[in-house]
Amino acid sequence: AQSVSQHNHHVILSEAASLELGCNYSYGGTVNLFWYVQYPGQHLQLLLKYFSGDPLVKGIKGFEAEFIKSKFSFNLRKPSVQWSDTAEYFCAVNAGRSGYNKLIFGAGTRLAVHP
Amino acid sequence: SQTIHQWPATLVQPVGSPLSLECTVEGTSNPNLYWYRQAAGRGLQLLFYSVGIGQISSEVPQNLSASRPQDRQFILSSKKLLLSDSGFYLCAWRTGGNEQFFGPGTRLTVL
Repeated sequence: AQSVSQHNHHVILSEAASLELGCNYSYGGTVNLFWYVQYPGQHLQLLLKYFSGDPLVKGIKGFEAEFIKSKFSFNLRKPSVQWSDTAEYFCAVNAGRSGYNKLIFGAGTRLAVHP
Repeated sequence: SQTIHQWPATLVQPVGSPLSLECTVEGTSNPNLYWYRQAAGRGLQLLFYSVGIGQISSEVPQNLSASRPQDRQFILSSKKLLLSDSGFYLCAWRTGGNEQFFGPGTRLTVL
């Protein structure tokens, strides 16, 4: 079965620090990959997605993620975080024909950015 | 534009009582619809999904059931709630591009 692992459950950073959140998935076929963000008190929102093409994808608010097929990874990055990036981040995969309608989510990473 | 509604926003229910959570989508037709449960530290767990009226797929055997009586309505139910049913329930719908958009959620507390 497909699964998604997020390595860091809690991350604490100071403003202007660089961010990298790890995400690994288990599936050998074609995948669609997503990062969602949930700001305090708000809906879960799509941050960025990868379907095909350039493995480095850019999302909203200065976030980017790199798909490395050989490592089954889709890590999220931001060069300089802001206090407003405090949120919970979820990696998700939509994998294969039989699971084409379903998203498998990681456990999430809570990011706290201190001013 | 498409919007997704969930109600109630919060609910406190005693163990053994029934449950009905409703999700409706506006601005689209024949969407794929999903119910997830979000538990602290455990991410989002897919509970049910539906590709059309009356078509429900269950992902996790449990105390809950789902129904889709209308194209844009998706209902999550239980006949008798358990303590372990507490959590944050999210409804989502899917675009043709495989992105899913989420509703505001229902916080359920079972006492």
